[in-house]
Amino acid sequence: ETGVTQSPTHLIKTRGQQVTLRCSSQSGHNTVSWYQQALGQGPQFIFQYYREEENGRGNFPPRFSGLQFPNYSSELNVNALELDDSALYLCASSSTANYGYTFGSGTRLTVV
Amino acid sequence: AQTVTQSQPEMSVQEAETVTLSCTYDTSESDYYLFWYKQPPSRQMILVIRQEAYKQQNATENRFSVNFQKAAKSFSLKISDSQLGDAAMYFCAYRYSGAGSYQLTFGKGTKLSVIP
Repeated sequence: ETGVTQSPTHLIKTRGQQVTLRCSSQSGHNTVSWYQQALGQGPQFIFQYYREEENGRGNFPPRFSGLQFPNYSSELNVNALELDDSALYLCASSSTANYGYTFGSGTRLTVV
Repeated sequence: AQTVTQSQPEMSVQEAETVTLSCTYDTSESDYYLFWYKQPPSRQMILVIRQEAYKQQNATENRFSVNFQKAAKSFSLKISDSQLGDAAMYFCAYRYSGAGSYQLTFGKGTKLSVIP
């Protein structure tokens, strides 16, 4: 059973640029969620995708968007990057059959 | 809105001893799940233990157990026989069990150090 994999592991971007982060869900999981974890904080829910549609969103602006593909992998896109977007971005997959979550190791985004 | 509070930013424990991490939460719901996650320097969130609110019995997983007090909205984690590998950030998390609700709400975490 494969876990959740995220790419890249680290990324440095300039303010105003756009970034795409990728996540491969655990086998058998049909739901994927994204979280932002600022330094010294707990993760904050960005949004969730189920069957390729967003079905839940946290308090994040529209410049945070995502996609889920038929194989349940996912992308997180952030436009017009701001310095405060610097954080660890975690992807978690889950199954509607249970309430467990499997997290990836995250992408560390630094905006300069 | 649900909130999760971890009042201990840092804790330390001697190897082989027992430590308890505190967590309180606020919700108006009656059905929900509670979790403790461990985040080592590798950054991956690892599920330690989970509790369904409708279950009165406290969850136990090997050396890890919880003290779930629903009326007090308290959910503490006890680690027995602490090991060096237990050193990590520990996060308490809440999730409403309603249909279509999968959002986890996390506390700010407690950094646990294990002293050899």
